[in-house]
Amino acid sequence: DSGVTQTPKHLITATGQRVTLRCSPRSGDLSVYWYQQSLDQGLQFLIQYYNGEERAKGNILERFSAQQFPDLHSELNLSSLELGDSALYFCASSSGQGDGQPQHFGDGTRLSIL
Amino acid sequence: GEDVEQSLFLSVREGDSSVINCTYTDSSSTYLYWYKQEPGAGLQLLTYIFSNMDMKQDQRLTVLLNKKDKHLSLRIADTQTGDSAIYFCAESSPRRAGSYQLTFGKGTKLSVIP
Repeated sequence: DSGVTQTPKHLITATGQRVTLRCSPRSGDLSVYWYQQSLDQGLQFLIQYYNGEERAKGNILERFSAQQFPDLHSELNLSSLELGDSALYFCASSSGQGDGQPQHFGDGTRLSIL
Repeated sequence: GEDVEQSLFLSVREGDSSVINCTYTDSSSTYLYWYKQEPGAGLQLLTYIFSNMDMKQDQRLTVLLNKKDKHLSLRIADTQTGDSAIYFCAESSPRRAGSYQLTFGKGTKLSVIP
């Protein structure tokens, strides 16, 4: 158990819809990272928050947004969903924003778009 | 851009050693990581190495780093059927201040034959 909790484990929805994925980091961790894992693209970094502030953006679509709340949990919002958004979405956390602080991953949310 | 390459498949017999190889292109990489993903599960951090080290050993795991050739390997001694999984190599480097998102390889699927 990594200590990172993601909910829900599975989401099934239709094209055009909007969903929210939730992540609770390990106790004491201030940084939260979101990654997308798909068969064709592999694991891709989406966005990072540190102590409530956006720190870096990766390959995140404009239809996607995220935030980190004062209690440090984070949510990833995906809107106007397309078939290609079907993927496994991971959240990871680390203790700070420095290098050499390993990221610990949750079990992911599997999103299926019908 | 940054790139991490791994062979896709490796098959070994139970009790033998497994060696999973990885190459990366970013010369500013500071830390290199190995993660394990079992079917339906999240990413489990196995080990990581700082770029100024040549080797790190942790029980059955040995990581070797050739920084000149940008080559990383993970050796698993006495491989067991429970080691069957996908192994991901990842690197981090300072993309911008305070951000150390990971760039992953596509993963090597290790199959252990009883």
